[in-house]
Amino acid sequence: DVKVTQSSRYLVKRTGEKVFLECVQDMDHENMFWYRQDPGLGLRLIYFSYDVKMKEKGDIPEGYSVSREKKERFSLILESASTNQTSMYLCASCPSGVGNYGYTFGSGTRLTVV
Amino acid sequence: KNEVEQSPQNLTAQEGEFITINCSYSVGISALHWLQQHPGGGIVSLFMLSSGKKKHGRLIATINIQEKHSSLHITASHPRDSAVYICAVLHGGNQFYFGTGTSLTVIP
Repeated sequence: DVKVTQSSRYLVKRTGEKVFLECVQDMDHENMFWYRQDPGLGLRLIYFSYDVKMKEKGDIPEGYSVSREKKERFSLILESASTNQTSMYLCASCPSGVGNYGYTFGSGTRLTVV
Repeated sequence: KNEVEQSPQNLTAQEGEFITINCSYSVGISALHWLQQHPGGGIVSLFMLSSGKKKHGRLIATINIQEKHSSLHITASHPRDSAVYICAVLHGGNQFYFGTGTSLTVIP
């Protein structure tokens, strides 16, 4: 069964900490995405990547960075965590022909910044 | 302004009822994705469609490209159908735009 795996389901971090959220997919997908999900706002795109070492800003990149050194792994980095980054973070991947297949999502990481 | 609007936002139904969730969008699309999210967060794909109708078990999805509208129907609803249902549209490239979801509760 194909999978997108996020390293943590629940995470509690302190304000100012550097936080790493990891996402690994085993489907050889070219495209990977990081979203955050907040009540009433739906999924908002933070960053995405079309290929190794490639990254593109999404709608809300401020306060975040990403890294994609290998095709299967896409990391989201909160440089200095703040309380307004408390959210559910979802990773997704898709092949280049996304119109046929859609996204495969990870199970999410619920991050709380205190 | 959200390119994708879902209605209703919340829906409560009795077990066995026929349920319809609507999705309207304002941009040209090449595909539409219906997703399901259970409590706990994981999101699973239900349907990808670009025209017509698709059926899987008790779930039916339809799309009308001219009217920019899609519906997700659940026949003979069951408490295990309780979840958030999310519509997403593919507008250029590989990026989806998401609705805010419809929260469905099916009461036994």
